[in-house]
Amino acid sequence: DSGVTQTPKHLITATGQRVTLRCSPRSGDLSVYWYQQSLDQGLQFLIQYYNGEERAKGNILERFSAQQFPDLHSELNLSSLELGDSALYFCASSVNRHTANTGELFFGEGSRLTVL
Amino acid sequence: AQTVTQSQPEMSVQEAETVTLSCTYDTSESDYYLFWYKQPPSRQMILVIRQEAYKQQNATENRFSVNFQKAAKSFSLKISDSQLGDAAMYFCAYRSPDMIIQGAQKLVFGQGTRLTINP
Repeated sequence: DSGVTQTPKHLITATGQRVTLRCSPRSGDLSVYWYQQSLDQGLQFLIQYYNGEERAKGNILERFSAQQFPDLHSELNLSSLELGDSALYFCASSVNRHTANTGELFFGEGSRLTVL
Repeated sequence: AQTVTQSQPEMSVQEAETVTLSCTYDTSESDYYLFWYKQPPSRQMILVIRQEAYKQQNATENRFSVNFQKAAKSFSLKISDSQLGDAAMYFCAYRSPDMIIQGAQKLVFGQGTRLTINP
């Protein structure tokens, strides 16, 4: 158990709809990252937050947005969904305020989104 | 921008044998982290091994070891005494050093190598 919690684990929706994926980082971790993994592909970096502020952006579509809240949990919002958005969305966290940083990212189990 | 390349989309090995997965990366930085993550059919991302670039010694974790060649920008993973449970996708990843003011940097992943273990 990495300590990173993602909900929901599975989500099926229709094209054009909007969904929100939620991530609770490991206790004390300040950074949250979102990655997208399409079928049999590598992980594509979407966006990173550090202590509530956006710090890095990858190839995130304009239809997607994210935020990190004061309690450090994060949400990824996906709107106007298309078939190609079907993927596994991972959240990861790092940079603990209480312990030495090992450089490692701790991954949640992912949210599998299916767009029909 | 940093890039990570895994040139072997698929590898297979007999159980109990040794297999080496290749990874090369491109960076202009002198200090960074390198990782191998394993993704079994459950899709969970599991850290296998970590290497800090400033350390000369190759990292080892039980049956897993790396061959880190900094000048060549190469970071291969050797799995000894392969077991059926080692079957998974393996991802090589690069990460810049932490920047305290801006927060930690993202991991850049290779495309992965699918490892099959033959009984």
